[in-house]
Amino acid sequence: NAGVTQTPKFRILKIGQSMTLQCTQDMNHNYMYWYRQDPGMGLKLIYYSVGAGITDKGEVPNGYNVSRSTTEDFPLRLELAAPSQTSVYFCASSFPGQGLAVFQPQHFGDGTRLSIL
Amino acid sequence: QKEVEQNSGPLSVPEGAIASLNCTYSDRGSQSFFWYRQYSGKSPELIMFIYSNGDKEDGRFTAQLNKASQYVSLLIRDSQPSDSATYLCAVHSGGYQKVTFGIGTKLQVIP
Repeated sequence: NAGVTQTPKFRILKIGQSMTLQCTQDMNHNYMYWYRQDPGMGLKLIYYSVGAGITDKGEVPNGYNVSRSTTEDFPLRLELAAPSQTSVYFCASSFPGQGLAVFQPQHFGDGTRLSIL
Repeated sequence: QKEVEQNSGPLSVPEGAIASLNCTYSDRGSQSFFWYRQYSGKSPELIMFIYSNGDKEDGRFTAQLNKASQYVSLLIRDSQPSDSATYLCAVHSGGYQKVTFGIGTKLQVIP
């Protein structure tokens, strides 16, 4: 069972370039998330999706775009890379709970380490 | 702004001791609480989750939740060097399907 798969694992970009970070999950989870993690910091939510065709901004959405055309895939797009976007990016997914357990634990991918020079 | 506070550490404990990791949160409406372990250079992995006041035990790990005082803690008994990692607290406040993470506490278990 692959779980959450992120590609690429590492990437170096030049300022102003664009790229797409791929994320796919095979657990049929409705909810998917993109986080970034800077050294010594916790996870900051960039975008999230509660199902195909539905996305919403998190804490730090500027400079990023997402789409969710299928349940499995949730790509993150950087249009004009800036040094401030150097970070480790994690994709996560979870399924909806109910009652007191309305929010279920998230499953994380291995991350993409992105450097922008 | 919903906040989740953790001491960044490092917290150093000798092997075999009890490690106590604490987390406070600002939103009284918070409903679900999670502890993730993150080894250096790796992704977070779930250790424990707790939804109700009180203690929840799983092997050497115990999560404690006190909603009145707005804190959640993680106890690790018989700490091992392999427990050395950063422990992230995550809190779900309801209304939206997302959580807020603390900055994490770095734990060092000294052999």
